[in-house]
This record gives sequence, C-alpha cells and structure tokens, in this order.
Amino acid sequence: ELKVEQNPLFLSMQEGKNYTIYCNYSTTSDRLYWYRQDPGKSLESLFVLLSNGAVKQEGRLMASLDTKARLSTLHITAAVHDLSATYFCAVDALSNFGNEKLTFGTGTRLTIIP
Amino acid sequence: DADVTQTPRNRITKTGKRIMLECSQTKGHDRMYWYRQDPGLGLRLIYYSFDVKDINKGEISDGYSVSRQAQAKFSLSLESAIPNQTALYFCATSQTGALVDEQFFGPGTRLTVL
Repeated sequence: ELKVEQNPLFLSMQEGKNYTIYCNYSTTSDRLYWYRQDPGKSLESLFVLLSNGAVKQEGRLMASLDTKARLSTLHITAAVHDLSATYFCAVDALSNFGNEKLTFGTGTRLTIIP
Repeated sequence: DADVTQTPRNRITKTGKRIMLECSQTKGHDRMYWYRQDPGLGLRLIYYSFDVKDINKGEISDGYSVSRQAQAKFSLSLESAIPNQTALYFCATSQTGALVDEQFFGPGTRLTVL
C-alpha cells in the first residue's frame, strides 16, 4: 500500500525566511501534485510534477521531484503572510485494482509570523 | 459559476439517520471522487468512479455508498450515520486521458453527526 509522508506537519515561519516542506512516498511513481488549502476552503492545485528532476516555480514557491529518492520538496522563499495555509502533496499510483488514483499526504500547516 | 459544486455545504444530523451528499460538475470530466478530511489525517479516498458504470471502493468505504447518476453527478450516502463520520467531505473530478490526473475539488461539505 502506498504511503505518503510529509514533514513537518506544522511549521511556523517568520516573514522573509526560507524553508522547505518534504514529501516522501513509498512506491514507484513519476507523477506528484502539490495542493494548497486555506482554512475552511477547498483544495487548490499548485504544481504538477511529471518526471524525475521536474522543477516548477510560481512566485515564492518552488516544487521539485526526485523519483529515484521518492521525494518531492516544496521550497518557500522569503515567506509572506499570504502563504499561510495547509499544503498537501499527492502521489499518482496504481491502486490494488489496477486503476490509478491519488494518495495524499497528511498535510503541512504553514503559519507565517510577522 | 463553480465548476464542481457540493450540496449541502453544512449539515448536522443525528446518529442513525440516512444522509446524502451530492456533487455536480460542469467540467465535462468523466472521473469523480469522494474524499473525507479529518484533522491530522489528510484526505482519504472513500469511493471513486471512472465513468457512469464504474464504481470503485477507496481506502475507507465501510459505512458509505455512492451512486453515479450521470456523468456530471456523483452522490455519497451514509446509510446510518455515526458520530465518527463527522468530517469534511470533498468531491473531486478529473479527466481520463489527460496528460496528468490533476483533480479539481469542490468546496466541501461539513458534516456533523450528533
């Protein structure tokens, strides 16, 4: 069974600092997704990573994928308050029935402190 | 207008009651999913459907059933609600054959079982 682990689970950062969220997964996959969820809101797609070495950037967020290490990172540069949210990674893998489905990590709740 | 809608948005019910959560989408996608979100557990897949005649159990299907009435509609039922089904429920959609299985989420239904 596919396991997807994120760390840290909770992260408080000062504005202007850099930090990285890690997403490890337990089976072979070359498709990984990052989502953002604001409190009480739905999930919004941030990045789609499709191959080993893929890197995507949007504003102060940059995501990368290392399929050999089964690791994705979400790097935050010079954090600002607007980035406070919960971030989920999700891995695309075959289910026991041979159908593809997403398995989500437990999420990282990020709080940016002025 | 939202592409993926869920009704109701909030619901309080009593133990033993039958309840149905509905999801509709205008994205034209053929795949639909139901997830539940609990604090600290991320999103867990309840059921998913890849077309109108296809229904698959997810990792936590016990106590739930679904109906795919049309390509655009996917309903989740709790036959006899219990308090540990109190959670935030999300519907999501995606498209077969797309380069990526990027899922698009509805706004969520907050369900409380007393």
